[in-house]
Amino acid sequence: AQTVTQSQPEMSVQEAETVTLSCTYDTSESDYYLFWYKQPPSRQMILVIRQEAYKQQNATENRFSVNFQKAAKSFSLKISDSQLGDAAMYFCAYRSPNAGNNRKLIWGLGTSLAVNP
Amino acid sequence: NAGVTQTPKFQVLKTGQSMTLQCAQDMNHEYMSWYRQDPGMGLRLIHYSVGAGITDQGEVPNGYNVSRSTTEDFPLRLLSAAPSQTSVYFCASSLRASGGLRQETQYFGPGTRLLVL
Repeated sequence: AQTVTQSQPEMSVQEAETVTLSCTYDTSESDYYLFWYKQPPSRQMILVIRQEAYKQQNATENRFSVNFQKAAKSFSLKISDSQLGDAAMYFCAYRSPNAGNNRKLIWGLGTSLAVNP
Repeated sequence: NAGVTQTPKFQVLKTGQSMTLQCAQDMNHEYMSWYRQDPGMGLRLIHYSVGAGITDQGEVPNGYNVSRSTTEDFPLRLLSAAPSQTSVYFCASSLRASGGLRQETQYFGPGTRLLVL
């Protein structure tokens, strides 16, 4: 069964600096989808960025980018020019396209990011 | 375009009471799902639906019922509330149940916080 591990329960970064959040996963599949979601104090789960495993090019969304290392099964999130509004819990999630109709996302336990002014 | 909406935002129930958590989306998404979020356990799939009239169980379905009479609405019913159902509940939807990363990316509602005494 697939698993997702976020090894950093808490991280902090100074405003305007860059921070990288780690995510590793375990799977025997060759194609799959990976996501980063952000959960601010409002509890809303917001999609940050997504990546398809067979695409080697790292995804980017404005200040957010990923470092996808398929062989190492690593999917880290880099936040550049950190802003106070980036403070949130960040979750890494995995989904198999072969999950039938279940379409379950497999979640890490999250990394709490604090942004210091 | 409101996206995924959930009501209520917060609810307190007594053990044994029943209630319905509402979820609606206006994006014409075929796939809808319910997750619960508990500390230290990540998000777990309760029930899901791949289209109107079609529902199925996720990994923690006991104590919950769902129905999908329209594409837009996917209510979650607690039959007889128990303290173990104290949690934050998220509804999510995606364009399709399959078909690629864009179609299968799930978008979340703001959540319902439920406290069962």
